[in-house]
Amino acid sequence: ILNVEQSPQSLHVQEGDSTNFTCSFPSSNFYALHWYRWETAKSPEALFVMTLNGDEKKKGRISATLNTKEGYSYLYIKGSQPEDSATYLCAPNMNNNAGNMLTFGGGTRLMVKP
Amino acid sequence: DSGVTQTPKHLITATGQRVTLRCSPRSGDLSVYWYQQSLDQGLQFLIQYYNGEERAKGNILERFSAQQFPDLHSELNLSSLELGDSALYFCASSDLRTSGASTDTQYFGPGTRLTVL
Repeated sequence: ILNVEQSPQSLHVQEGDSTNFTCSFPSSNFYALHWYRWETAKSPEALFVMTLNGDEKKKGRISATLNTKEGYSYLYIKGSQPEDSATYLCAPNMNNNAGNMLTFGGGTRLMVKP
Repeated sequence: DSGVTQTPKHLITATGQRVTLRCSPRSGDLSVYWYQQSLDQGLQFLIQYYNGEERAKGNILERFSAQQFPDLHSELNLSSLELGDSALYFCASSDLRTSGASTDTQYFGPGTRLTVL
């Protein structure tokens, strides 16, 4: 069973605060890491796909970094807004031969207070 | 809107019954994935189909089965339902042709909420 851990489980911040959270995964047999954003009552929405050690991706105020050697990724949100409130999920693909099977972490639930 | 459609949105049934959940992938996507989201667990991968053939299998119960039809829509069949099968079932689709399997973005549908009473 693949162990994907996300921390913290939940996070309350004030509007304008910058924040970050972590995704940890086994570093062996790594192929790619996917980040998703999941708003309440909606479906998960893809943010980033990352593959290379040291990779950094950015989308607006959200960015992510990847360390494949030690098995972790950070997601950063700069100047959080209430609309950033959502659960952020990471999902590594650890076996390229098995199609595109993603193993999702439990998520970090972010709540941004206006 | 991801372009993936799922029906029905809600389903309420009794223990021991059988239900079928339906998914239509985004136009042009060949691969379909099924996930289960229970109250006490995260998104769990169930099964993947690619162009009609099973491609990857997760911890899918023997009471559950799926298939992908020639028009690429997929159905997930859940039988002998138990209370613990109550969950949100997501379908996702991806192209899986233009990029490697591991980097292929999956686009999620709105989900079907199954309640077993």
